[in-house]
Amino acid sequence: TQLLEQSPQFLSIQEGENLTVYCNSSSVFSSLQWYRQEPGEGPVLLVTVVTGGEVKKLKRLTFQFGDARKDSSLHITAAQPGDTGLYLCAGGRFNDYKLSFGAGTTVTVRA
Amino acid sequence: EAQVTQNPRYLITVTGKKLTVTCSQNMNHEYMSWYRQDPGLGLRQIYYSMNVEVTDKGDVPEGYKVSRKEKRNFPLILESPSPNQTSLYFCASSPSPYTIRGSTDTQYFGPGTRLTVL
Repeated sequence: TQLLEQSPQFLSIQEGENLTVYCNSSSVFSSLQWYRQEPGEGPVLLVTVVTGGEVKKLKRLTFQFGDARKDSSLHITAAQPGDTGLYLCAGGRFNDYKLSFGAGTTVTVRA
Repeated sequence: EAQVTQNPRYLITVTGKKLTVTCSQNMNHEYMSWYRQDPGLGLRQIYYSMNVEVTDKGDVPEGYKVSRKEKRNFPLILESPSPNQTSLYFCASSPSPYTIRGSTDTQYFGPGTRLTVL
């Protein structure tokens, strides 16, 4: 059973459209990390959110950590083909040093 | 250049033949970790190490061993590989264990090792 549930599993949109990826859990996390992974490569960290209710912006990407620290979202405005990739969320815990990943969302942005 | 290296990148082996996947980082990081990635399951943590001689189990440690004798190296050992260990393996490192709990440091991943056990 996955500790972090990501939705949707797949997302295909046209260039210029907006998209949102969700990461949900029944567990509380000390932090939530978002990664992007391209084929044949390791994941690359995009952002870490650590405070409940926190919102971080990275150019056209907006990340939010839920008030209860159980969920997070990634919103991309005006998506571009370069945003295509596998997006992964990962949660750290208060009582150990493990990191749990969601199954990922495959995003395809068509030109 | 800051990097995490893994070797080999691709490996095909047979059931029961012991193998080691090496991982090395050049950033003097304290925390290192091994993950496996399987379709539909995302990444699952196998083992992690908070510093030299300090290792602990992740969520899927069965069938794997690790060691941390030097700060830069964190090899993954499969004593008797089985077909269900066929997977894509990633090594990662970060400055400290607190990167995992919530600092703004970055965890860096290696390029991956694709292992097939026949």
